[in-house]
Amino acid sequence: EVHLVESGGGLVQPGGSLRLSCAISGFTFSDHYMDWVRQAPGKGLEWVGRVRNKANSYTTEYAASVKGRFTISRDDSKNSLYLQINSLKAEDTAMYFCAAGFCSGGTCYVGVYWGQGTLLTVSS
Amino acid sequence: DIQLTQSPSFLSASVGDRVTITCRASQGISSYLAWFQQKPGKAPKLLIYGASTLQSGVPSRFSGSGSGTEFTLTISSLQPEDFATYYCQQLNDYPLTFGPGTKVDIK
Repeated sequence: EVHLVESGGGLVQPGGSLRLSCAISGFTFSDHYMDWVRQAPGKGLEWVGRVRNKANSYTTEYAASVKGRFTISRDDSKNSLYLQINSLKAEDTAMYFCAAGFCSGGTCYVGVYWGQGTLLTVSS
Repeated sequence: DIQLTQSPSFLSASVGDRVTITCRASQGISSYLAWFQQKPGKAPKLLIYGASTLQSGVPSRFSGSGSGTEFTLTISSLQPEDFATYYCQQLNDYPLTFGPGTKVDIK
């Protein structure tokens, strides 16, 4: 059975740093591109960024709103995905979801599998 | 960045109704579009990718069409479990972007 379990959220002060984790089981993690998607309270979905698989050199892509502050990484030996967030702002307050991608027909889609999310609140 | 708009933003419908949601892209995205369903407090669920390919396990009452800049998601006969918010997402170019969502509510 597929499981993606996010952790590491909580209450953090503005300007602080945090690392979110996503533990994966039930599918071959190393084959998949992985994405982070966030959702501010009562708002829509926002794609945060992506890390590709080993075959694609673990390269990353980011949304403009987080580029330079967020870093996505993965450890295939631990079936784990990470999101390092620095210089936290109030507008980073959101539920953060990890999602496994898949590639088809010339592109790679988000979210064949999803975690249940971890809530990050940035407030003093 | 490629912007996506969805219409309507809110839709009130009854069980058994045929429902159509439109997603428009600010520039051509070929068929690199996906549709998601999200229920309150839950993770999104992938319904359709490649604009018209039904994800495994998704009921056949869901269908998608379109290419270029205009896309539609159709639910042929709305069921009680379909009341949710629906999002489109483009995967033609980075940054990937979602539409603002369409909430389907019970009339």
